[in-house]
Order: sequence, then C-alpha cells, then structure tokens
Amino acid sequence: GIQVEQSPPDLILQEGANSTLRCNFSDSVNNLQWFHQNPWGQLINLFYIPSGTKQNGRLSATTVATERYSLLYISSSQTTDSGVYFCAGGQGGKLIFGQGTELSVKP
Amino acid sequence: SQTIHQWPATLVQPVGSPLSLECTVEGTSNPNLYWYRQAAGRGLQLLFYSVGIGQISSEVPQNLSASRPQDRQFILSSKKLLLSDSGFYLCAWSVDSNEQFFGPGTRLTVL
Repeated sequence: GIQVEQSPPDLILQEGANSTLRCNFSDSVNNLQWFHQNPWGQLINLFYIPSGTKQNGRLSATTVATERYSLLYISSSQTTDSGVYFCAGGQGGKLIFGQGTELSVKP
Repeated sequence: SQTIHQWPATLVQPVGSPLSLECTVEGTSNPNLYWYRQAAGRGLQLLFYSVGIGQISSEVPQNLSASRPQDRQFILSSKKLLLSDSGFYLCAWSVDSNEQFFGPGTRLTVL
C-alpha cells in the first residue's frame, strides 16, 4: 500500500518564525489533504490539494503530484499554531495518514 | 451547511464488554462515510468505509465491525472489547471520494 512520510517529526519555533513541513508519498495519489489536530483531538481541514498551490492567510500549500510530495508553509507563526499537523493521501476515498509533525511555537 | 456528530465523546469500558459508537451527518445526502482510529502516538488508520446503505468495506481485520443502517448514520461495534481497542475513534464524511471532513471523535478506554 501507499506509504506516507512526514518531516520533520517535531519542530520547535519562536513566535514569528516561518516553517516548512513536508510530506512524501511512495506512490501516486489523487486525494491529498493537510490537517491540524487541536489539543482536543479535532482534525481541522487546512487544505485539499491533490495538485498545485493554495493559500489561506499565513498558511499555504504546494503539491507536486508528479514527484509525489507536498509542502505546507506556515509564515509568521503564532502560539495558536501549535499542535500536530497531518498530511493524508490516497487513491479514491481511502486516506493514508502520515505520522504527523508536532509543532510547538514558543512566545 | 453540513455537520457531523459523534457520541459518546468519551467512554470507559471493561474488557469483554460490547461497544457501539455512533456517527451521524446532517446537511448532505448519500455521503461516503469512514471510521478511523488514532492509537497512542499520532497516526490515524482507516478501519471501515461505506459508499451507501448496507455497503461496508473493511480495511483492517480486527475485533470491530461497522454498519450503515441509514443514509447518514454509521455505527462502529464490537461484541467483546480487547485492551488493544483503546484509542481515539474518528468518523468522517465526503462527497464521492473527495475532501473528507471529520467529526469530534470518541475517546475509548478499555480497562
């Protein structure tokens, strides 16, 4: 099956810093999503991005489908950005999740 | 707008007891429905998915089963819980096989 690798596994930033999270896939996917899991466990949808580039405020994402990777950019990080970020992708409706990047933003 | 509900929010059950977790979706028709589990650590694993009433696909052989008795209702069950069934269970929905949206989850502890 498809393997999803996220990096880095952990990231500590000072407030205001920028960061890039990466997601690699072992095979082609036609669905790709980025999520933020809040402290209560809720998965918040950030981007649905099987290909191309999208931006939403301080967050943006780029997926290069032909090279099987996606990047999530966080600019001017805030303490409220802390939490675990997941990418997930797959064929059809079956999402395979990466192990996540745990982000901690210090004031 | 669409909303997804899960209950209960938390559950503590003894080993060997039965389980029933419920998920309902509002504001859409004929959604694809999914059950995921997040065990200790961080990864989520797809357990079951359904494209219609009575249609269930199992992704991982285990002690659990799923049913879809109504269009917008998805139920996760077990006849006898194991310690290894502990975890955070999330239900999700999508239109066809596109973007998935997740419910608030049920935190299950088996003692």
